[in-house]
Amino acid sequence: GDSVTQMEGPVTLSEEAFLTINCTYTATGYPSLFWYVQYPGEGLQLLLKATKADDKGSNKGFEATYRKETTSFHLEKGSVQVSDSAVYFCALSDRRTGNQFYFGTGTSLTVIP
Amino acid sequence: KAGVTQTPRYLIKTRGQQVTLSCSPISGHRSVSWYQQTPGQGLQFLFEYFSETQRNKGNFPGRFSGRQFSNSRSEMNVSTLELGDSALYLCASSGTSGITGELFFGEGSRLTVL
Repeated sequence: GDSVTQMEGPVTLSEEAFLTINCTYTATGYPSLFWYVQYPGEGLQLLLKATKADDKGSNKGFEATYRKETTSFHLEKGSVQVSDSAVYFCALSDRRTGNQFYFGTGTSLTVIP
Repeated sequence: KAGVTQTPRYLIKTRGQQVTLSCSPISGHRSVSWYQQTPGQGLQFLFEYFSETQRNKGNFPGRFSGRQFSNSRSEMNVSTLELGDSALYLCASSGTSGITGELFFGEGSRLTVL
């Protein structure tokens, strides 16, 4: 079945460091890929998405490229800020299963000044 | 535009009891999904309702059930509670059929089973 695997956390970085959170997926169809973020005390919210191979999603300085050949959707940011401290979830959905999303286990990021 | 509203936010139950959680989606959204979030398992899909019909169901026992009303509000029920049901239950709504759908999440209902 469909699934998502993302790198274990927690991750601690200094402000202005480069961030990469790895995400790989398994899917039998042609999924859409997402990164969701959960800030402390808040609900999950969409960070970015890509709906087909080679698409790049971007938002708030974060980027991720849908790589079909490596079944990956790694999240990157060139210079993290303290306000980026949160839990990041990689997810996929397949149009054949409506709004059933498969989430990774989440990666906790702490950015220290 | 109001977001997804879940009630209650926190509740404590004992084993064997049942619980009902409520979710009001964003106005105009017809799809409501439920997820269970635990530290060990992450987010696991429970079920999705679209226009009052269950469209998808995850791998949870029959003790977990749900329904959706004509105004798109949804409830989920867990009967005969077990300690392992302690979790954050998240509701999400979507305004699309899911092809490139974005889920909008509520803040969740945190259930503790003693």
